Amino acid sequence: QQQVKQSPQSLIVQKGGIPIINCAYENTAFDYFPWYQQFPGKGPALLIAIRPDVSEKKEGRFTISFNKSAKQFSLHIMDSQPGDSATYFCAASIGGKIIFGKGTRLHILP
Amino acid sequence: GAGVSQTPSNKVTEKGKYVELRCDPISGHTALYWYRQSLGQGPEFLIYFQGTGAADDSGLPNDRFFAVRPEGSVSTLKIQRTERGDSAVYLCASSFDRGPEGYTFGSGTRLTVV
Repeated sequence: QQQVKQSPQSLIVQKGGIPIINCAYENTAFDYFPWYQQFPGKGPALLIAIRPDVSEKKEGRFTISFNKSAKQFSLHIMDSQPGDSATYFCAASIGGKIIFGKGTRLHILP
Repeated sequence: GAGVSQTPSNKVTEKGKYVELRCDPISGHTALYWYRQSLGQGPEFLIYFQGTGAADDSGLPNDRFFAVRPEGSVSTLKIQRTERGDSAVYLCASSFDRGPEGYTFGSGTRLTVV
């Protein structure tokens, strides 16, 4: 019930491509769905987030698509750059507590 | 300070020893959270403070783990009788209230138990 399942574990994309990371959840009480970016040796940093009453949110090159009925959401990165190479975590929040997926290690080839 | 500060950044300790990990939240943030991140995994929730009190400690793995926040600002995570399985990065985050927006994480303390 408390899990957030994330796929793929790793992803390699050519520069300019559109990596897509997918997540699924079970607990319908989750009320906030953030995505975090983490570089080695650093803590996770909030990238973009969405509430379940919205189907899509775009901020710069990052877009979240949210399907409430399927209990799935995904992150798209437009025009990906080598600097986007990092580990990405989807997450879901309930009562301030954040439940993280296991992460996707993304590598953008120059 | 400008961000969440965690000290030390690295800690190596022998199995069975006691360790303390410190977190300085962003000034004015009332909510403070501890997470543990094992290698290749996402962060796992340990405990959440609202002010001085622990509002949710359901993530603490056992009674060897304890955390305090006596004045509602700095928090210390204490681990007794450390085991090799406690090796991980311990992350602290803070926010203005109990909501998840505005969560800011520190860079973590990498704990290695040998």
